[in-house]
Amino acid sequence: DIHLTQSPSTLSASVGDRVIISCRASQSISHFLAWYQQKPGKAPKPLIYKASNLESGVPSRFSGSGSGTEFSLTINGLQPDDFATYYCQQYNDYSPTFGPGTNVDIK
Amino acid sequence: EGRLVESGGGLVQPGQSLRLSCTASGFTFSDYGMNWVRQTPGKGLEWVSFIRSKVHAERRQYAASVKDRFTISRDDSKGIAYLQMNSLKTEDTAIYYCTRSNHLYCSDGSCSADLWGQGTLVTVSS
Repeated sequence: DIHLTQSPSTLSASVGDRVIISCRASQSISHFLAWYQQKPGKAPKPLIYKASNLESGVPSRFSGSGSGTEFSLTINGLQPDDFATYYCQQYNDYSPTFGPGTNVDIK
Repeated sequence: EGRLVESGGGLVQPGQSLRLSCTASGFTFSDYGMNWVRQTPGKGLEWVSFIRSKVHAERRQYAASVKDRFTISRDDSKGIAYLQMNSLKTEDTAIYYCTRSNHLYCSDGSCSADLWGQGTLVTVSS
């Protein structure tokens, strides 16, 4: 299986900050990477697919970039609603895998 | 946009079986692939199984941890996806989510999920 690592595991930030979360794959996954946001007690919410495409209804302050093995999720101007855990997922092969998550909390 | 509602979770003993259902509404179910993804506090998110649409021959894929024990299926006439879970183990304890995949955005291997249900809890314990 393709292994994903995320950094940092926890990030403390303030409203208005620019936040960058990294996701690294153990081998090239082209651009087949998705990002999800999850709040406690809720299902993950899709944010981005194919590394940089915003899902319908997702605010434009979210953006994704990268290809191959290095990817990032950027939140420009963190909002109170954005404090959550963020997961990346690769779907390049027949066994999709998720990263361990990055918890964004209030500084 | 669509909605997915899982049901069928509960408490079972090791070795027993359980069938989960995922009822879809608000979109053309037959056009999409469907997945099951589970989540535990210790292991995080884990993809379990995927079934493609009829146009893609309803091809099925399974995680190694559930292969030969779990079976995914779909009934397009009812808009329901199923996960039959046999020979359950304590490590299968998790919240099980049903998710939808758009074939347009898949790789040759698998897909991301653009819609998630609220999840159903499966507890395997003696």
